[in-house]
Amino acid sequence: GQQLNQSPQSMFIQEGEDVSMNCTSSSIFNTWLWYKQDPGEGPVLLIALYKAGELTSNGRLTAQFGITRKDSFLNISASIPSDVGIYFCAGIPLVSRGGSNYKLTFGKGTLLTVNP
Amino acid sequence: DAEITQSPRHKITETGRQVTLACHQTWNHNNMFWYRQDLGHGLRLIHYSYGVQDTNKGEVSDGYSVSRSNTEDLPLTLESAASSQTSVYFCASSESPGFGYTFGSGTRLTVV
Repeated sequence: GQQLNQSPQSMFIQEGEDVSMNCTSSSIFNTWLWYKQDPGEGPVLLIALYKAGELTSNGRLTAQFGITRKDSFLNISASIPSDVGIYFCAGIPLVSRGGSNYKLTFGKGTLLTVNP
Repeated sequence: DAEITQSPRHKITETGRQVTLACHQTWNHNNMFWYRQDLGHGLRLIHYSYGVQDTNKGEVSDGYSVSRSNTEDLPLTLESAASSQTSVYFCASSESPGFGYTFGSGTRLTVV
């Protein structure tokens, strides 16, 4: 089945630094989503992307749907301590004609630690 | 406000016991999912349902079962708990995957 390769696996940064993480696949995806999971909680949707090349922002977060439709990127600017958590990418792969797919494919996550 | 709730939040059980984790959503979503989260493995799909009376196996379904008798609930049952099933379990629901999933807060299960 389709797999998402998310990198890096973990990051340790200083408060105020910018952060970049990405997700790649060998398959084409129709939709890319980015989630954040706070410690002890479930993942929460941050940004959704629906078109190749689309660039969407949510506060200090910016995500892009790659032109090839096989990758996506998430950037966090001027990080703060509450940015700590696990960031997941997720996507809906392109299915063949007549098929159906209501399941998201998830990356394994990027653990972000921010040092005050 | 609509929500998705999981219970219990924490549970300790003994090897061999049957355990049921509850998931209840008031979003009126047809699609519901169960995942387990383990270090190094991310979120792995256990079972999912697209509607009442519909259930499907995910990638790690062995030892687990679900039933869907109404729209709101998708309980997850561990038939005979094993130590390998110690994990954090998340339930999620969705109207359409394009809008993403709404996750519950999770159940931390320890099998001793």
